[in-house]
Amino acid sequence: DAMVIQNPRYQVTQFGKPVTLSCSQTLNHNVMYWYQQKSSQAPKLLFHYYDKDFNNEADTPDNFQSRRPNTSFCFLDIRSPGLGDAAMYLCATTGVGNEQFFGPGTRLTVL
Amino acid sequence: SQQGEEDPQALSIQEGENATMNCSYKTSINNLQWYRQNSGRGLVHLILIRSNEREKHSGRLRVTLDTSKKSSSLLITASRAADTASYFCATEHADSWGKLQFGAGTQVVVTP
Repeated sequence: DAMVIQNPRYQVTQFGKPVTLSCSQTLNHNVMYWYQQKSSQAPKLLFHYYDKDFNNEADTPDNFQSRRPNTSFCFLDIRSPGLGDAAMYLCATTGVGNEQFFGPGTRLTVL
Repeated sequence: SQQGEEDPQALSIQEGENATMNCSYKTSINNLQWYRQNSGRGLVHLILIRSNEREKHSGRLRVTLDTSKKSSSLLITASRAADTASYFCATEHADSWGKLQFGAGTQVVVTP
């Protein structure tokens, strides 16, 4: 059974048009992460939540925001997507041993 | 940067051969993890090795950790075509609980 679910799997948006990506997890864990992964690159952490405590990485652009309304769900909002924001966005949560469980990702295309 | 570095960047082998990839990092870690990523998919956790461990096995996977050299290796034995994927090491550093720094990955192609 999937532990981390991301919707949609593919998202196409227009330059400057806000977009929201969603993630849910069935592990009921208090930590959730959002990563950005560009083609042939390593995943890059954007931010993470510890419960409702939001932790932004220092180099995450202000264009990226996040919401976590409850333990199970987490959203990534891109307020004004640019061409450089086209990437795979990965959501993850943590297992008991600090390993991370990833969702299948949402591939974002910006036209 | 604390990001791990991996080598080789790419590896092409035939089924049945072993594949070895290496990861180096710069600062003290709590643990080091290896992940696999098939093209266009999410990452799948393979093995976590803690800083006080030297070797771990899981099926055909063997991971070693040398904290004195700040390096780790992943060995895949008796490779199969289904092992074709990108492999990433990720480090949880001592001052960054729960946060992982990923290396650039090794792209492995296993041909039948």
